[in-house]
Amino acid sequence: QKEVEQNSGPLSVPEGAIASLNCTYSDRVSQSFFWYRQYSGKSPELIMSIYSNGDKEDGRFTAQLNKASQYVSLLIRDSQPSDSATYLCAVLSSNTGKLIFGQGTTLQVKP
Amino acid sequence: GAVVSQHPSRVICKSGTSVKIECRSLDFQATTMFWYRQFPKQSLMLMATSNEGSKATYEQGVEKDKFLINHASLTLSTLTVTSAHPEDSSFYICSARENLRNEQYFGPGTRLTVT
Repeated sequence: QKEVEQNSGPLSVPEGAIASLNCTYSDRVSQSFFWYRQYSGKSPELIMSIYSNGDKEDGRFTAQLNKASQYVSLLIRDSQPSDSATYLCAVLSSNTGKLIFGQGTTLQVKP
Repeated sequence: GAVVSQHPSRVICKSGTSVKIECRSLDFQATTMFWYRQFPKQSLMLMATSNEGSKATYEQGVEKDKFLINHASLTLSTLTVTSAHPEDSSFYICSARENLRNEQYFGPGTRLTVT
């Protein structure tokens, strides 16, 4: 089992729809979870961090965390073509203190 | 969010030469910085963890004598690729951890081409 798992996609949604990106992780003790966006040829950009169970909203983005199920998700409302990118889920390892990344989900928002 | 700069953004060098890449946290102090490498269409690969004032910790398979890391202050880390070869051509990205919330911010990356 990979430490952080994401569906590689591509996930294709029409403009204006809600995009739902999912991630599961294996470290039961982890306390810090992050979502990064990476455009092709660019470096990752931190878009959300979440530390407590429940939802955290920031503009069109909502991160959801369920530690019991070891599951974290990212919802993007009113998706725009400019949201087309690879979204990386990252978990701060309780053992090493390093970020463990999933392989990323490619999102395509079609006009 | 916090800003991390990286210089140069692009560099072309000849085989056998050395290249230094600088990474700076502009508006926060970073005790810990990280160096990654990414090949086209592949995942980020952590090369080393750099702690201010101490020696870097390298990931398995990364040659510490080839990739020299110095973290001389709370806002600056450098990576020097020594005796570069064409197979070292890649996208090198630094990252700095903001101490209070453990958030990690990435620099814009340096694209290295070794001819």
